[in-house]
Amino acid sequence: KAGVTQTPRYLIKTRGQQVTLSCSPISGHRSVSWYQQTPGQGLQFLFEYFSETQRNKGNFPGRFSGRQFSNSRSEMNVSTLELGDSALYLCASSVRPGLAGEQFFGPGTRLTVL
Amino acid sequence: AQSVTQPDIHITVSEGASLELRCNYSYGATPYLFWYVQSPGQGLQLLLKYFSGDTLVQGIKGFEAEFKRSQSSFNLRKPSVHWSDAAEYFCAVGAMYTGNQFYFGTGTSLTVIP
Repeated sequence: KAGVTQTPRYLIKTRGQQVTLSCSPISGHRSVSWYQQTPGQGLQFLFEYFSETQRNKGNFPGRFSGRQFSNSRSEMNVSTLELGDSALYLCASSVRPGLAGEQFFGPGTRLTVL
Repeated sequence: AQSVTQPDIHITVSEGASLELRCNYSYGATPYLFWYVQSPGQGLQLLLKYFSGDTLVQGIKGFEAEFKRSQSSFNLRKPSVHWSDAAEYFCAVGAMYTGNQFYFGTGTSLTVIP
């Protein structure tokens, strides 16, 4: 069974631009969560989606948004990029939402904002 | 407020030696506890998890962890470290009342000396 895939793997943007990252969960997994990983802040929860609905959201500004499609694939969007948005963005999928399900992580998308 | 502390930023051990990585948490109720490992350029892989029951849990790759409620700790152990264990290790906690989201520690980087 294929794992969680994230595209693109690397991305370079400039301040003020917007970016869309994609995550394809493991087949049969309907829950997708997003995390931001930076050297200074570590791993921080962004949001979780299940059945196309946002179930939970972390403490990030409104510039960070996401959505989930009917095939469980998810995208996250960051508008008006800032230098501090440079990070590794990780997507995780699970069969069930929340902590009841074991999360499987993708390799991440490395975003660099110049 | 919820928090997860991994006191050791970096640990170096010799191959074949035993290993203990520390994790302390602050939560209002019994949390769900996890240990993940991240190799360079990779996503996170679940090593083990604790939800309830036996406080000593066995994981993959020969790792185990012990939940100690009185100390609010969930330390990860391995009796004999292999060179391939060199990686970043993250402790994560969550509880139903936090909205089913994970809080991660800042990670412990493990170096294994031949």
